[in-house]
Order: sequence, then C-alpha cells, then structure tokens
Amino acid sequence: DGGITQSPKYLFRKEGQNVTLSCEQNLNHDAMYWYRQDPGQGLRLIYYSQIVNDFQKGDIAEGYSVSREKKESFPLTVTSAQKNPTAFYLCASSIVAGYLYEQYFGPGTRLTVT
Amino acid sequence: QQPVQSPQAVILREGEDAVINCSSSKALYSVHWYRQKHGEAPVFLMILLKGGEQKGHDKISASFNEKKQQSSLYLTASQLSYSGTYFCGTQDSYSGAGSYQLTFGKGTKLSVIP
Repeated sequence: DGGITQSPKYLFRKEGQNVTLSCEQNLNHDAMYWYRQDPGQGLRLIYYSQIVNDFQKGDIAEGYSVSREKKESFPLTVTSAQKNPTAFYLCASSIVAGYLYEQYFGPGTRLTVT
Repeated sequence: QQPVQSPQAVILREGEDAVINCSSSKALYSVHWYRQKHGEAPVFLMILLKGGEQKGHDKISASFNEKKQQSSLYLTASQLSYSGTYFCGTQDSYSGAGSYQLTFGKGTKLSVIP
C-alpha cells in the first residue's frame, strides 16, 4: 500500500539535544512538506520541498533544518535553537503537476522535550 | 497570515446540517479542506480553485466566493463519523499555481452526538 511513514510515533528528548524526525513516502510524489501542530493553532508550515536537493522555508523555519537527498525521504531536524520544540509534527506529500493536487499526510510524530 | 475559520466549534445531533466558513484577507487561488480526528493525520476532503474547478468526495460539498475570498464547507445529514476538526488551507493568488505552499486556519471542531 502506498503512503507516508513517520517514525517514531512518540519521541522524548532532553532540552539542548538535536533530534531528527523521519518521513518516508512511496507515493512517487515530488513535493514534501513538514508542518507543526500546536493545540488550537492549526497546521503551520516549517519547510517544503518540490524537488530533490531543493527546499524552501515555510512560516516557522527558525530552529529547524531539513534535507532532501532522495525523492522518497524528507527528514526534519529539530535543533537546540528551537525555543519551544514540544509539538505534534506532520509530514505530507503531493504531486506538483496540475492544480488539483491534495496533500497526503503521515500519521505524525509527537515530540516532547523536557 | 492565517485564514479565519468560523465557527471555532459546533455540536450537532445526527442528521443535522452544518456550515463551516473560511475567510482570507488575501486574494486566493485555491482553498483546500481537510478533516482530522484526534491524534490522527488530516484527511483530504475538497479542493476548490479560482475559476470554478473543484475536486473532492461525493458526499462533501463546498463553495468558493472569489470576490469575497471566502469558502464554505457544507455538511448535510451529519453522521457520527463526521466528528473531528476541519481545517481550510489557502493558496494565495500572488504565489499562484507555481507555489504549493498552503496556509491553514486554526480549525473548526465539529462534534456529532447521537
């Protein structure tokens, strides 16, 4: 079955540590996205990538970094510079051809930093 | 700037109808609608494009008023499975079809009770 895999589902880290969240898709989609979700805030875009080896900052990129070395993989690193990293992180993907494209979301990773 | 959704929350009895609104201060190219159940990934419902094209599930209907930069999602004869948080995501006309960046609203929590 095609879809998006995020691992792990729950992640705990100590303050000051960098942590990398995994996102893999087998939908053959060109575009991939990372969103952060906080209670009552909706989804906020962190980074997105429309092609391998290229990515753009979203609205809240500070304290985060990404890489896109393979079409199917788009890992997100939450660095120690991110002041409030505890959140639910969602990865998504979509095609880039045409205009009627929907985003497919992974199951999410809940990160807790203490 | 996030689109504004209204109402923030609504409670329905099975069989009742509801309308969820999404309003933007920017000229819009498209509006996407997603539903998310607690702790799960958002699921695609509908896309509406400037000019009238749309794509979505048969049982879901929505409208897009380009002049007012507003979209409405219509939920008729609600079922228990309709419960969840509904998000609209907007793509502004300035970015156009070449950008795949969506800006999401804060969500509308819908609860359907027996």
